[in-house]
Amino acid sequence: AQTVTQSQPEMSVQEAETVTLSCTYDTSENNYYLFWYKQPPSRQMILVIRQEAYKQQNATENRFSVNFQKAAKSFSLKISDSQLGDTAMYFCAFMGPNFGNEKLTFGTGTRLTIIP
Amino acid sequence: DAGVTQSPTHLIKTRGQQVTLRCSPKSGHDTVSWYQQALGQGPQFIFQYYEEEERQRGNFPDRFSGHQFPNYSSELNVNALLLGDSALYLCASSLLEAATDTQYFGPGTRLTVL
Repeated sequence: AQTVTQSQPEMSVQEAETVTLSCTYDTSENNYYLFWYKQPPSRQMILVIRQEAYKQQNATENRFSVNFQKAAKSFSLKISDSQLGDTAMYFCAFMGPNFGNEKLTFGTGTRLTIIP
Repeated sequence: DAGVTQSPTHLIKTRGQQVTLRCSPKSGHDTVSWYQQALGQGPQFIFQYYEEEERQRGNFPDRFSGHQFPNYSSELNVNALLLGDSALYLCASSLLEAATDTQYFGPGTRLTVL
């Protein structure tokens, strides 16, 4: 079974600074998908960024980028120029390779606070 | 473009009762997955429905059951409620044959069991 580990329960950073959230996972699969989801106090789980394991290029979405190290099974999220609206719980998630939407396996989350 | 919707927003039940939660998927999606998120934890996969059939199931007891309707909306039923069933229940929708395999979440239903 796949497992996802987020070793930073809480982090805080000053507004406009850069912050990196860590995630490691364990799988025997070669092809899979990795995600970062954001959950603000409103509870809505929002997709931040997605990475396909067979793609070597790291995914980027505006201020959000990932550092995907397949051999090390590491998938960190970097938030540049952090904003107050980035304050939320961040969850790393894994999805297996079977065609058609395998289940998501989530980590325990990192609570990120952006300080004005 | 309507996103994933869930109802009700909050629900309070007592032990032993039964509850039904509802989910309407994002427009164009045909697959619905349900997750349970206990306080301070990441979501845990309950089951997934496609073409009105349970396609995958997580490690949850048979007290948890579901249904998918022809319009792709879905219900989650929990029988004989326990205190430990108190959680946020999230519904996620996706398109089975889409290349992205991305699941989009609804706002959740907060269930409190007293």
